[in-house]
Amino acid sequence: RKEVEQDPGPFNVPEGATVAFNCTYSNSASQSFFWYRQDCRKEPKLLMSVYSSGNEDGRFTAQLNRASQYISLLIRDSKLSDSATYLCVVNPPFSGGYNKLIFGAGTRLAVHP
Amino acid sequence: DADVTQTPRNRITKTGKRIMLECSQTKGHDRMYWYRQDPGLGLRLIYYSFDVKDINKGEISDGYSVSRQAQAKFSLSLESAIPNQTALYFCATSDSEGRAFTDTQYFGPGTRLTVL
Repeated sequence: RKEVEQDPGPFNVPEGATVAFNCTYSNSASQSFFWYRQDCRKEPKLLMSVYSSGNEDGRFTAQLNRASQYISLLIRDSKLSDSATYLCVVNPPFSGGYNKLIFGAGTRLAVHP
Repeated sequence: DADVTQTPRNRITKTGKRIMLECSQTKGHDRMYWYRQDPGLGLRLIYYSFDVKDINKGEISDGYSVSRQAQAKFSLSLESAIPNQTALYFCATSDSEGRAFTDTQYFGPGTRLTVL
């Protein structure tokens, strides 16, 4: 089982739609969680951190469910500019001599007119 | 100008050649990282450095070496390139204010390397 799993998509949605992605992680002791956005052939950029209580940034809402070991990203009122790949990133407990980030392979979103 | 730059942006080379990928940053960050990205896989950490005198292996360091020439420069070398090292390589930086690897990571634009 992969340490971080995401549905690769693509999720094809019309402008204005609400879309949600889930990401599951295998290490129940993981401590920090993030969503990064990666445009085609570009570098990843931090979209938002995911807090235990959930957090919202404009049209984007992130949730953490520790019991079921998943995080989610909800995008409301999708824009064409939201088309990208969304990477789920998890910080597991310190192991193997270093504290690392585990990146999911990403979920691709395509928003169409 | 970009805060994190990588050179070259694209490189095609042959099996057995030595290749160096360079990364420079103007963000003033102490921590620098090298990742590779393959289709269908997440980014994987190759090496990381928390300051000029601190170099650490990541999860896939075999076949790679690094050099931290200065706080702002971190180079990745493939001593003898092989085809399965064909990938997109990213350099990243983060500051040292928070716990390592939970700081926001700022990525360079990437180097697309093809080994024939």
